[in-house]
Amino acid sequence: ETGVTQSPTHLIKTRGQQVTLRCSSQSGHNTVSWYQQALGQGPQFIFQYYREEENGRGNFPPRFSGLQFPNYSSELNVNALELDDSALYLCAIRETGGSTDTQYFGPGTRLTVL
Amino acid sequence: AQSVAQPEDQVNVAEGNPLTVKCTYSVSGNPYLFWYVQYPNRGLQFLLKYITGDNLVKGSYGFEAEFNKSQTSFHLKKPSALVSDSALYFCAVTHLGGGYNKLIFGAGTRLAVHP
Repeated sequence: ETGVTQSPTHLIKTRGQQVTLRCSSQSGHNTVSWYQQALGQGPQFIFQYYREEENGRGNFPPRFSGLQFPNYSSELNVNALELDDSALYLCAIRETGGSTDTQYFGPGTRLTVL
Repeated sequence: AQSVAQPEDQVNVAEGNPLTVKCTYSVSGNPYLFWYVQYPNRGLQFLLKYITGDNLVKGSYGFEAEFNKSQTSFHLKKPSALVSDSALYFCAVTHLGGGYNKLIFGAGTRLAVHP
């Protein structure tokens, strides 16, 4: 187990609503990334946070936003939900040091937009 | 731009036989390459990685992968497949730049191991 937890496990929303997804790890990691995995596809990078600041973003509109807290837990917020936002949302913590640089993923939140 | 290709949507293999799941990549510079596995309704589990060193990398659950720079490939292998290996496998490469890193994934290959 990675020690990365995400909540909720599943979520159903309707178009136009807003949603907040959460991520935390047992031992605080200062770098967290969020990915979107649509059905039948590989995960796509949304953004990365390092020490509470967004330091990298993929090809996602501004209605996808995030937060990282002093305890290094993180939130993904999506406003004005669209049907295409239906996906599995994964957060990942980054472990670095020595020759290692690896991202470990949580179990994900399955979002369905109706 | 960096990219990863997994040319097979699905690989079928009989239990006990060797398996190979293919991955090719396109990167500028030296690649950091990864394999992850995803079981139904689960997140991604890290299997193994290549950063530098020996071209044959050993990972979890008996899996290994061979880095081939000339063929820009990083195929996942296992000498003897188990039914429990049936899952979705993703190859990924790390993009480093702009002060952050991100994983670029292939589309995934579904491995089906038959008894």
